[in-house]
Amino acid sequence: LAKTTQPISMDSYEGQEVNITCSHNNIATNDYITWYQQFPSQGPRFIIQGYKTKVTNEVASLFIPADRKSSTLSLPRVSLSDTAVYYCLVGRYNQGGKLIFGQGTELSVKP
Amino acid sequence: ETGVTQTPRHLVMGMTNKKSLKCEQHLGHNAMYWYKQSAKKPLELMFVYSLEERVENNSVPSRFSPECPNSSHLFLHLHTLQPEDSALYLCASSPSGTPSSSYNEQFFGPGTRLTVL
Repeated sequence: LAKTTQPISMDSYEGQEVNITCSHNNIATNDYITWYQQFPSQGPRFIIQGYKTKVTNEVASLFIPADRKSSTLSLPRVSLSDTAVYYCLVGRYNQGGKLIFGQGTELSVKP
Repeated sequence: ETGVTQTPRHLVMGMTNKKSLKCEQHLGHNAMYWYKQSAKKPLELMFVYSLEERVENNSVPSRFSPECPNSSHLFLHLHTLQPEDSALYLCASSPSGTPSSSYNEQFFGPGTRLTVL
């Protein structure tokens, strides 16, 4: 499973766009990139998943360059309730559904 | 509400106690998981069950004993724990956990906050 590197923490203000970048230099051909969100004392929650280029849903966008060695989670116009830890995961999810979580990025949104 | 419930939400136990954590999923999934999350540490996968059979056991000490009586229920039996076992224990489920399956999203419960005195 590919190792991921993310910033440990980020600060933002309400209404701003937040971009969290994840590095995964040894990503394999069959690997997908997935992001989870975790609020304090709760379980992680799936946000978005992608393989290449751009994926968008009602919560976020995921940008993946052609070499796939990094990815960027984009949260548009964040609010205080977006304060959470965001995890980037990379893996071939035909491996029995195993998820390997790293340290994640602790996002703090201020008024 | 993710469709995965865990009880109790909080548990305080002594090192000589025996207790059990319960997880129930109402999603019709075939795979269930136990994770441990210690303070300021990443989630650690402990056990994976697929169709009620254990398919993964990540070198977890024997004082943690999982049980999966059916695809909707998962237990974690605890005995003679240590203070360093204090953590948030999370249960998750997914449609499938077999190696041949394609990606499936995992749905997490709210966790049980365990404190070992």
